[in-house]
Amino acid sequence: AQTVTQSQPEMSVQEAETVTLSCTYDTSESDYYLFWYKQPPSRQMILVIRQEAYKQQNATENRFSVNFQKAAKSFSLKISDSQLGDAAMYFCAQQGGSEKLVFGKGTKLTVNP
Amino acid sequence: DTGVSQNPRHKITKRGQNVTFRCDPISEHNRLYWYRQTLGQGPEFLTYFQNEAQLEKSRLLSDRFSAERPKGSFSTLEIQRTEQGDSAMYLCASSRGPDTQYFGPGTRLTVL
Repeated sequence: AQTVTQSQPEMSVQEAETVTLSCTYDTSESDYYLFWYKQPPSRQMILVIRQEAYKQQNATENRFSVNFQKAAKSFSLKISDSQLGDAAMYFCAQQGGSEKLVFGKGTKLTVNP
Repeated sequence: DTGVSQNPRHKITKRGQNVTFRCDPISEHNRLYWYRQTLGQGPEFLTYFQNEAQLEKSRLLSDRFSAERPKGSFSTLEIQRTEQGDSAMYLCASSRGPDTQYFGPGTRLTVL
């Protein structure tokens, strides 16, 4: 069975600083995708970044980048130059052959001005 | 793309009543997914469709739950004889093939 673990229920960062959110996962599949989604308060889930497991190069999307360690089954998200609008719940998710997303419990990110 | 839409956004009902939610996916997305999210948790998969075919159902989807996607476009999720434990946010997502899923705003259900 696929599992996704986010060990940090809450994190905080100062505006303009860098923060890293952790995620580990477990799967027996060799071909899968990993995602980070952002869910602002009372707003819908938004895709932040996606990583294909077969790609060794870490995905980047503007201020967002990942550190994908396939052997360690680790998939952390780094947010650089944090902005007030980055405050949200962040969910790590995995998608394998069954196509369903398996989510972690989320990390609540607070950005302090 | 106009995005995934869901209606209603909020639903309050009494225990034992039936409720139905609707999801309109992004046009030309052939896959449609339903998830349930309770407070403080990540979304949990319920079921998904490829066109009009329902391909997978979670064990979370008891026999009180039924989902349809009759013409391969919009989908409905019905909960019969609602229970207080059904109170949650019901999320819909769609994708073009086995690809990135895009989520709607959700329907928040409160069962009194």
